[in-house]
Amino acid sequence: EVQLVESGGGLVQPGGSLRLSCAASGFTFSTYWMHWVRQAPGKGLVWVSRINSYGSTTGYADSVKGRFTISRDNAKNTVYMQMNSLRAEDTAVYYCARDGPGSLPDYWGQGTLVTVSS
Amino acid sequence: QSVLTQPPSVSAAPGQKVTISCSGSSSNIGNNYVSWYQQLPGTAPKLLIYENNKRPSGIPDRFSGSKSGTSGTLGITGLQTGDEADYYCGTWDSSLTAVVFGGGTKLTVL
Repeated sequence: EVQLVESGGGLVQPGGSLRLSCAASGFTFSTYWMHWVRQAPGKGLVWVSRINSYGSTTGYADSVKGRFTISRDNAKNTVYMQMNSLRAEDTAVYYCARDGPGSLPDYWGQGTLVTVSS
Repeated sequence: QSVLTQPPSVSAAPGQKVTISCSGSSSNIGNNYVSWYQQLPGTAPKLLIYENNKRPSGIPDRFSGSKSGTSGTLGITGLQTGDEADYYCGTWDSSLTAVVFGGGTKLTVL
């Protein structure tokens, strides 16, 4: 059974940093691209970033480019999101998702809440 | 403002059928696959349809998908109260080089 478990969310002040983790199990992690998608309170889904299976190719939404960095450790079956220079508008539930058919997310984690506030 | 356009809400009675549209452009839906996701209240999104019209294992055939030109459509027949959820379409946008989602459609089963 595919499982994705996010952690690392919490309350952070504007301008601060946070690192999210997503532990994967139930599939061969090292062969899949991975995504991060976020959802602000009461709002829709917004794609944030993706990384290829080797960790050598990444992509970002314009809204986070230069502030967020996605990475992975295939030995630990874990994908990360380093978030710097956080803003109030980054407040959201952050979901980790596996890449599936059509280069789109298929399996999703339960999410971790990031709140940026003073 | 989302790249893909969905109606904010749809409603129908139990047992009836409903369709949800997702409108895009040639840079996204027109040349890429569409997926559909169901998000029940307080839970993570769940894949309902992939590659325009395919259902993952375990998804009932009451759920169907189609694509024509730059639009995709999700159909749900035999509506149940348990189908009340937010539904999102998603696709790859070749110009933005990003995954894009619709704004979501809230389904109410009256």
